[in-house]
Amino acid sequence: EDQVTQSPEALRLQEGESSSLNCSYTVSGLRGLFWYRQDPGKGPEFLFTLYSAGEEKEKERLKATLTKKESFLHITAPKPEDSATYLCAVQGIYNQGGKLIFGQGTELSVKP
Amino acid sequence: KAGVTQTPRYLIKTRGQQVTLSCSPISGHRSVSWYQQTPGQGLQFLFEYFSETQRNKGNFPGRFSGRQFSNSRSEMNVSTLELGDSALYLCASSPIEGPTQETQYFGPGTRLLVL
Repeated sequence: EDQVTQSPEALRLQEGESSSLNCSYTVSGLRGLFWYRQDPGKGPEFLFTLYSAGEEKEKERLKATLTKKESFLHITAPKPEDSATYLCAVQGIYNQGGKLIFGQGTELSVKP
Repeated sequence: KAGVTQTPRYLIKTRGQQVTLSCSPISGHRSVSWYQQTPGQGLQFLFEYFSETQRNKGNFPGRFSGRQFSNSRSEMNVSTLELGDSALYLCASSPIEGPTQETQYFGPGTRLLVL
Protein backbone atom coordinates (compact mmCIF):
# COMPACT_ATOMS: atom_id res chain seq x y z
CA GLU A 1 0.00 0.00 0.00
CA ASP A 2 1.30 3.44 -0.94
CA GLN A 3 2.25 5.47 2.12
CA VAL A 4 3.76 8.86 2.98
CA THR A 5 5.22 9.89 6.35
CA GLN A 6 6.35 13.43 7.09
CA SER A 7 8.59 14.60 9.90
CA PRO A 8 8.69 16.52 12.08
CA GLU A 9 5.00 17.17 12.71
CA ALA A 10 5.80 20.72 13.80
CA LEU A 11 8.91 22.87 13.48
CA ARG A 12 9.63 26.23 15.05
CA LEU A 13 12.45 28.31 13.59
CA GLN A 14 13.87 31.74 14.16
CA GLU A 15 14.00 34.00 11.12
CA GLY A 16 17.14 33.13 9.17
CA GLU A 17 17.57 29.69 10.78
CA SER A 18 17.78 27.16 7.92
CA SER A 19 16.34 23.65 8.26
CA SER A 20 14.91 20.69 6.37
CA LEU A 21 11.58 18.88 6.28
CA ASN A 22 11.48 15.15 5.57
CA CYS A 23 9.04 13.10 3.50
CA SER A 24 9.50 9.30 3.52
CA TYR A 25 7.44 7.33 1.03
CA THR A 26 6.56 3.81 0.00
CA VAL A 27 5.02 3.40 -3.45
CA SER A 28 4.84 0.65 -6.05
CA GLY A 29 6.47 2.67 -8.80
CA LEU A 30 6.70 6.43 -8.46
CA ARG A 31 5.00 8.58 -11.06
CA GLY A 32 5.67 11.80 -9.18
CA LEU A 33 6.30 13.33 -5.75
CA PHE A 34 4.69 16.66 -5.01
CA TRP A 35 5.25 19.39 -2.44
CA TYR A 36 2.51 21.82 -1.49
CA ARG A 37 2.20 24.70 0.95
CA GLN A 38 -1.09 25.24 2.78
CA ASP A 39 -2.07 28.31 4.75
CA PRO A 40 -4.88 28.04 7.34
CA GLY A 41 -8.34 27.91 5.75
CA LYS A 42 -6.96 27.78 2.20
CA GLY A 43 -6.34 25.14 -0.42
CA PRO A 44 -2.85 23.67 -0.95
CA GLU A 45 -0.57 25.78 -3.14
CA PHE A 46 1.67 23.85 -5.55
CA LEU A 47 5.41 24.16 -5.01
CA PHE A 48 7.33 21.35 -6.79
CA THR A 49 7.00 18.11 -8.73
CA LEU A 50 9.89 15.61 -8.64
CA TYR A 51 9.98 12.54 -10.86
CA SER A 52 13.20 10.60 -10.32
CA ALA A 53 15.91 10.03 -7.72
CA GLY A 54 18.61 12.69 -7.83
CA GLU A 55 16.29 15.38 -9.10
CA GLU A 56 16.38 18.80 -7.40
CA LYS A 57 14.20 21.89 -7.82
CA GLU A 58 14.49 25.36 -6.32
CA LYS A 59 12.19 28.30 -5.80
CA GLU A 60 13.29 31.33 -3.80
CA ARG A 61 14.27 30.03 -0.32
CA LEU A 62 12.99 26.50 -0.97
CA LYS A 63 14.83 23.54 -2.48
CA ALA A 64 13.33 20.08 -2.92
CA THR A 65 15.38 16.92 -3.40
CA LEU A 66 14.43 13.31 -4.09
CA THR A 67 15.94 9.89 -3.37
CA LYS A 68 14.42 6.44 -3.91
CA LYS A 69 12.91 6.45 -0.41
CA GLU A 70 12.51 10.06 0.67
CA SER A 71 12.35 13.69 -0.25
CA PHE A 72 13.63 16.73 1.59
CA LEU A 73 12.36 20.29 1.50
CA HIS A 74 15.23 22.56 2.47
CA ILE A 75 14.37 26.05 3.70
CA THR A 76 17.24 28.53 3.60
CA ALA A 77 17.12 31.68 5.76
CA PRO A 78 13.34 31.46 6.30
CA LYS A 79 11.15 34.50 6.83
CA PRO A 80 7.92 34.76 8.89
CA GLU A 81 5.90 34.63 5.67
CA ASP A 82 7.19 31.07 5.12
CA SER A 83 5.07 29.96 8.08
CA ALA A 84 2.55 27.39 6.80
CA THR A 85 1.87 23.67 6.68
CA TYR A 86 3.98 21.88 4.08
CA LEU A 87 2.44 18.80 2.51
CA CYS A 88 4.15 16.01 0.61
CA ALA A 89 2.22 13.68 -1.72
CA VAL A 90 3.03 10.80 -4.09
CA GLN A 91 1.31 9.38 -7.12
CA GLY A 92 2.00 5.76 -8.06
CA ILE A 93 2.30 4.52 -11.62
CA TYR A 94 -0.46 1.98 -11.04
CA ASN A 95 -2.96 4.65 -10.07
CA GLN A 96 -4.75 5.73 -13.19
CA GLY A 97 -6.21 9.13 -12.69
CA GLY A 98 -5.41 11.48 -9.86
CA LYS A 99 -5.11 9.82 -6.45
CA LEU A 100 -2.41 11.62 -4.61
CA ILE A 101 -1.44 10.00 -1.31
CA PHE A 102 -0.66 12.75 1.19
CA GLY A 103 1.41 12.82 4.34
CA GLN A 104 0.07 14.48 7.47
CA GLY A 105 2.14 17.60 6.85
CA THR A 106 4.76 19.59 8.74
CA GLU A 107 3.53 22.76 10.43
CA LEU A 108 6.29 25.35 10.12
CA SER A 109 6.39 28.47 12.29
CA VAL A 110 9.05 31.13 11.67
CA LYS A 111 9.43 33.77 14.37
CA PRO A 112 10.97 37.20 13.68
CA LYS B 1 -5.18 32.10 -16.08
CA ALA B 2 -7.80 31.97 -13.40
CA GLY B 3 -7.30 29.28 -10.78
CA VAL B 4 -9.62 26.52 -9.68
CA THR B 5 -12.86 27.90 -8.28
CA GLN B 6 -15.19 26.20 -5.85
CA THR B 7 -18.69 27.12 -4.75
CA PRO B 8 -20.03 27.59 -2.23
CA ARG B 9 -17.12 28.42 0.09
CA TYR B 10 -19.04 27.64 3.28
CA LEU B 11 -22.04 25.44 4.02
CA ILE B 12 -23.95 24.47 7.14
CA LYS B 13 -26.23 21.44 6.90
CA THR B 14 -27.99 19.15 9.32
CA ARG B 15 -27.70 15.38 9.60
CA GLY B 16 -29.67 13.49 6.98
CA GLN B 17 -29.62 16.28 4.42
CA GLN B 18 -27.76 16.13 1.14
CA VAL B 19 -25.31 18.62 -0.36
CA THR B 20 -23.87 19.41 -3.79
CA LEU B 21 -20.51 21.12 -4.23
CA SER B 22 -19.27 22.63 -7.46
CA CYS B 23 -15.81 22.97 -9.00
CA SER B 24 -14.59 24.81 -12.10
CA PRO B 25 -11.11 23.71 -13.20
CA ILE B 26 -8.35 25.85 -14.65
CA SER B 27 -9.11 26.60 -18.29
CA GLY B 28 -7.82 23.78 -20.48
CA HIS B 29 -7.50 21.29 -17.62
CA ARG B 30 -9.52 18.15 -18.27
CA SER B 31 -8.98 16.13 -15.10
CA VAL B 32 -10.72 16.99 -11.84
CA SER B 33 -10.03 15.28 -8.52
CA TRP B 34 -11.82 15.67 -5.20
CA TYR B 35 -10.33 15.34 -1.72
CA GLN B 36 -11.65 15.51 1.84
CA GLN B 37 -9.47 17.16 4.48
CA THR B 38 -10.04 16.69 8.21
CA PRO B 39 -7.73 17.34 11.18
CA GLY B 40 -7.64 13.64 12.07
CA GLN B 41 -7.30 12.00 8.66
CA GLY B 42 -5.58 14.73 6.66
CA LEU B 43 -6.15 14.88 2.91
CA GLN B 44 -7.91 11.83 1.49
CA PHE B 45 -8.72 11.13 -2.15
CA LEU B 46 -12.41 10.82 -3.03
CA PHE B 47 -12.49 10.38 -6.83
CA GLU B 48 -11.16 11.64 -10.15
CA TYR B 49 -12.94 12.44 -13.39
CA PHE B 50 -11.62 12.80 -16.92
CA SER B 51 -13.74 13.28 -20.02
CA GLU B 52 -16.91 12.85 -17.95
CA THR B 53 -15.75 9.41 -16.73
CA GLN B 54 -14.73 8.42 -13.23
CA ARG B 55 -11.27 6.88 -13.55
CA ASN B 56 -10.39 6.31 -9.91
CA LYS B 57 -12.19 6.19 -6.59
CA GLY B 58 -11.02 6.31 -2.98
CA ASN B 59 -12.31 4.37 0.01
CA PHE B 60 -15.45 6.34 0.78
CA PRO B 61 -19.03 5.07 1.11
CA GLY B 62 -21.49 5.26 -1.76
CA ARG B 63 -23.07 8.35 -0.20
CA PHE B 64 -20.25 10.26 -1.86
CA SER B 65 -20.68 10.64 -5.59
CA GLY B 66 -19.60 12.96 -8.34
CA ARG B 67 -19.89 13.79 -11.98
CA GLN B 68 -18.15 15.83 -14.65
CA PHE B 69 -19.73 17.83 -17.41
CA SER B 70 -18.59 18.26 -21.01
CA ASN B 71 -16.95 21.61 -20.14
CA SER B 72 -14.85 19.79 -17.46
CA ARG B 73 -16.72 21.41 -14.57
CA SER B 74 -17.44 18.93 -11.81
CA GLU B 75 -19.84 18.45 -8.96
CA MET B 76 -19.74 16.18 -5.96
CA ASN B 77 -22.74 15.14 -3.93
CA VAL B 78 -23.00 13.78 -0.42
CA SER B 79 -26.32 12.23 0.55
CA THR B 80 -27.65 11.48 4.03
CA LEU B 81 -25.06 13.67 5.74
CA GLU B 82 -23.40 12.48 8.94
CA LEU B 83 -21.60 14.53 11.59
CA GLY B 84 -18.31 12.97 10.46
CA ASP B 85 -18.73 14.48 7.00
CA SER B 86 -17.79 17.89 8.40
CA ALA B 87 -14.60 18.75 6.55
CA LEU B 88 -12.89 20.93 3.98
CA TYR B 89 -13.67 19.55 0.52
CA LEU B 90 -11.00 20.34 -2.02
CA CYS B 91 -11.12 20.15 -5.76
CA ALA B 92 -7.98 19.95 -7.89
CA SER B 93 -7.46 20.08 -11.64
CA SER B 94 -4.60 18.86 -13.81
CA PRO B 95 -3.80 19.31 -17.49
CA ILE B 96 -3.26 15.59 -18.32
CA GLU B 97 -1.12 16.62 -21.28
CA GLY B 98 2.26 18.30 -21.47
CA PRO B 99 5.30 18.36 -19.17
CA THR B 100 3.27 19.04 -15.99
CA GLN B 101 0.46 16.63 -16.77
CA GLU B 102 0.35 14.99 -13.35
CA THR B 103 0.52 18.15 -11.26
CA GLN B 104 -2.73 18.96 -9.50
CA TYR B 105 -3.70 22.53 -8.71
CA PHE B 106 -6.10 23.00 -5.84
CA GLY B 107 -9.01 25.34 -5.32
CA PRO B 108 -9.76 27.18 -2.07
CA GLY B 109 -12.12 24.46 -0.84
CA THR B 110 -15.66 24.30 0.49
CA ARG B 111 -15.95 24.20 4.27
CA LEU B 112 -18.89 21.92 5.20
CA LEU B 113 -20.25 21.84 8.73
CA VAL B 114 -22.83 19.18 9.58
CA LEU B 115 -24.90 19.81 12.71
